[in-house]
Amino acid sequence: NAGVTQTPKFQVLKTGQSMTLQCAQDMNHNSMYWYRQDPGMGLRLIYYSASEGTTDKGEVPNGYNVSRLNKREFSLRLESAAPSQTSVYFCASSEQGQGSHEQYFGPGTRLTVT
Amino acid sequence: AQSVTQLGSHVSVSEGALVLLRCNYSSSVPPYLFWYVQYPNQGLQLLLKYTSAATLVKGINGFEAEFKKSETSFHLTKPSAHMSDAAEYFCAVRPGNSGGYQKVTFGTGTKLQVIP
Repeated sequence: NAGVTQTPKFQVLKTGQSMTLQCAQDMNHNSMYWYRQDPGMGLRLIYYSASEGTTDKGEVPNGYNVSRLNKREFSLRLESAAPSQTSVYFCASSEQGQGSHEQYFGPGTRLTVT
Repeated sequence: AQSVTQLGSHVSVSEGALVLLRCNYSSSVPPYLFWYVQYPNQGLQLLLKYTSAATLVKGINGFEAEFKKSETSFHLTKPSAHMSDAAEYFCAVRPGNSGGYQKVTFGTGTKLQVIP
């Protein structure tokens, strides 16, 4: 199993450009998440999808949109990139429901907006 | 509401010395607690988790953590540090004993440096 995969690994954008970060998991998990990681701030949740067909805002959703394409795939779109969106982005997935369901993380996408 | 506080954004230990990374949490319901490790340029991976089955939890790579309800703590320890333990460590909390989506709150991380 590949676990959680993310593409691309690195990206440089100019202010105002758009892009989509792709994420896929092969663990048949119901829930998927997008986080951003900035120095000294830990992980902050951007959006999540508790199950296929649903998406909800996290702590820092402004400037982002998401699509849960199917059970495996969850994409994050930046419509008009800003320098404040320079960050490392992680996708994660987990089971849902009763139980201590830990999250499984992808390797991350390192995005720089100039 | 829930929160996690990790004391010390950077910790340095000598190789072979005790590793102690501190985590305090708050939760309005009995929590699930997690420690994750992040090696440079990688994603997070689970070290260990507390699920109420036992207060002392053993994880991978010789790490363990003890849940202390009275102190609302879940500190991570390892008796003898190895160079390969150099990484960033994150404590996380999630409400326990409930179904549906439950938010996970992560601490801000502690970077562990191991000095040869």
